[in-house]
Amino acid sequence: KQEVTQIPAALSVPEGENLVLNCSFTDSAIYNLQWFRQDPGKGLTSLLLIQSSQREQTSGRLNASLDKSSGRSTLYIAASQPGDSATYLCAVRSNDYKLSFGAGTTVTVRA
Amino acid sequence: EAQVTQNPRYLITVTGKKLTVTCSQNMNHEYMSWYRQDPGLGLRQIYYSMNVEVTDKGDVPEGYKVSRKEKRNFPLILESPSPNQTSLYFCASSLVPGQGAKNIQYFGAGTRLSVL
Repeated sequence: KQEVTQIPAALSVPEGENLVLNCSFTDSAIYNLQWFRQDPGKGLTSLLLIQSSQREQTSGRLNASLDKSSGRSTLYIAASQPGDSATYLCAVRSNDYKLSFGAGTTVTVRA
Repeated sequence: EAQVTQNPRYLITVTGKKLTVTCSQNMNHEYMSWYRQDPGLGLRQIYYSMNVEVTDKGDVPEGYKVSRKEKRNFPLILESPSPNQTSLYFCASSLVPGQGAKNIQYFGAGTRLSVL
């Protein structure tokens, strides 16, 4: 069974600092990995999706890397803003099509 | 606009009273799934469906039923709800993996269910 872990569980940084969020998974036989953002009481918004054959994906200030062999992904958010405050979830799609989520990292960016 | 629509958004019910949470998507996705989100446990998959009339159990299927009679709809049925099913529920859809496209998961806004 795929286990997904996100560290740290919570993170508080001053505005302008770069954010580094970590995700690890136990089974490297994955199809893809997706990072989501969730605001309190809201649904999930997809940020980036990395296919298993890719090493990284970038979108604006966001960059996600994938090291499938070591079971790790990292989400980098450059020059953080208060609007980046949210919970960030990592989800791994295994080859049996199941999607397994980490518990999330709750980010607070202080103005 | 591409979207996954869940109804209702909020629901309070009593133990044993059957209920259905509807889910509909307008993106012609084959893959649809249901999750529940609980504090400290994250999102856990309840059921998923690869296409019409094809459904499979996820990690926590006990106490739930689903059906997939049409491609766009994937209702979640609680035949006899119990208090431990109080949770935040999400429906999601995507293309089926392996179709050569990025099968990004799109999520509904969530249904907050309280079972008294």
